[in-house]
Amino acid sequence: GAGVSQSPSNKVTEKGKDVELRCDPISGHTALYWYRQSLGQGLEFLIYFQGNSAPDKSGLPSDRFSAERTGGSVSTLTIQRTQQEDSAVYLCASSSAGATDTQYFGPGTRLTVL
Amino acid sequence: AQSVAQPEDQVNVAEGNPLTVKCTYSVSGNPYLFWYVQYPNRGLQFLLKYITGDNLVKGSYGFEAEFNKSQTSFHLKKPSALVSDSALYFCAVREWTGGSYIPTFGRGTSLIVHP
Repeated sequence: GAGVSQSPSNKVTEKGKDVELRCDPISGHTALYWYRQSLGQGLEFLIYFQGNSAPDKSGLPSDRFSAERTGGSVSTLTIQRTQQEDSAVYLCASSSAGATDTQYFGPGTRLTVL
Repeated sequence: AQSVAQPEDQVNVAEGNPLTVKCTYSVSGNPYLFWYVQYPNRGLQFLLKYITGDNLVKGSYGFEAEFNKSQTSFHLKKPSALVSDSALYFCAVREWTGGSYIPTFGRGTSLIVHP
């Protein structure tokens, strides 16, 4: 079946602009994660959605970052007033609900802030 | 709090030789351990996981990993490396933390297999 998809694959924006990144998880997966991967760094956790529960936003680096998940499926990560340090690859993953379940990752969105 | 360490930024190995990519972890309870591989300009792909049972776990592409509780390690291994195995490898640990299952990833190890 279809895997996790993300759009756009690349986004170039100017400093101060807002951007929206989209993630379509695998159908039926109730858990959805956003990560940020910077050059030479590991995966930085941003936010976690699980079913209808309140999201875990503990990884969001500032209030310029927000995310929502509509209808328990598609998720949008929004970065307001982008800064150059926001440049990174943003990865989305989905999984079933259990701690032992495998995460399936999308191809990522490469964000470049000029 | 859970943590995971990949002590090597890069591992170099000749094609046909065995390879090992190291991972150590720290959790307060029982660990769930995962290995993922990332090829250039791609997302992460699942290789294998340890949940419980046999300490030796076999996964995709001929990879295996051994869970060692006393050494808190979960090293990734392959008996004979291929040039196509060259990629970035991530170890991850997961445990129940206050109601959510958020895994912690290592910084990644770049594996370079030389022809």
